[in-house]
Amino acid sequence: NAGVTQTPKFRVLKTGQSMTLLCAQDMNHEYMYWYRQDPGMGLRLIHYSVGEGTTAKGEVPDGYNVSRLKKQNFLLGLESAAPSQTSVYFCASYNRGRGIQYFGAGTRLSVL
Amino acid sequence: EDQVTQSPEALRLQEGESSSLNCSYTVSGLRGLFWYRQDPGKGPEFLFTLYSAGEEKEKERLKATLTKKESFLHITAPKPEDSATYLCAVQAPNFGNEKLTFGTGTRLTIIP
Repeated sequence: NAGVTQTPKFRVLKTGQSMTLLCAQDMNHEYMYWYRQDPGMGLRLIHYSVGEGTTAKGEVPDGYNVSRLKKQNFLLGLESAAPSQTSVYFCASYNRGRGIQYFGAGTRLSVL
Repeated sequence: EDQVTQSPEALRLQEGESSSLNCSYTVSGLRGLFWYRQDPGKGPEFLFTLYSAGEEKEKERLKATLTKKESFLHITAPKPEDSATYLCAVQAPNFGNEKLTFGTGTRLTIIP
């Protein structure tokens, strides 16, 4: 997963707390994505960005916000965490020339 | 709505026992079908992209094929290191966001 770095790797939150997940890529890609992965559900798109300063909603955006202030960084925020947001979160960046999404190693989040 | 169904959910094979994983899809115009490998605790790792029916791609013991309705990932004489979850995803014409729709994966275990 060279090139896409996610921090933190693990986090435990209490219901109602807030946090920000950081995704950084060093491949100069325009497109970036945030997914969540739950057992039996597969990877589901939360939000995505097609370039610096742009964001858009994916399949399951409720309860999340994102920002893309710099091309290399894509932040995912939870303003008031809920137990339903317990999941593994993956960031990906997209190489348009090769048509391939490259994934980070994931952030495992538990909301108690 | 794009849909991807993978079967079986889990597969256990003896080392050297060849088999195939299935990915059935429904999409309004296929731009690409992707296979990824995911090891426990890690992010998905790109394997193949297939673009049109009849296309085949190979990498070591893996061969991916594509028809108009499904894709197969054939594993020949697998080794324990091939144990992983294999994910299938489709990309449809989607007005520039390049997003993927994923299946829930097949968890493959190769027994020495």
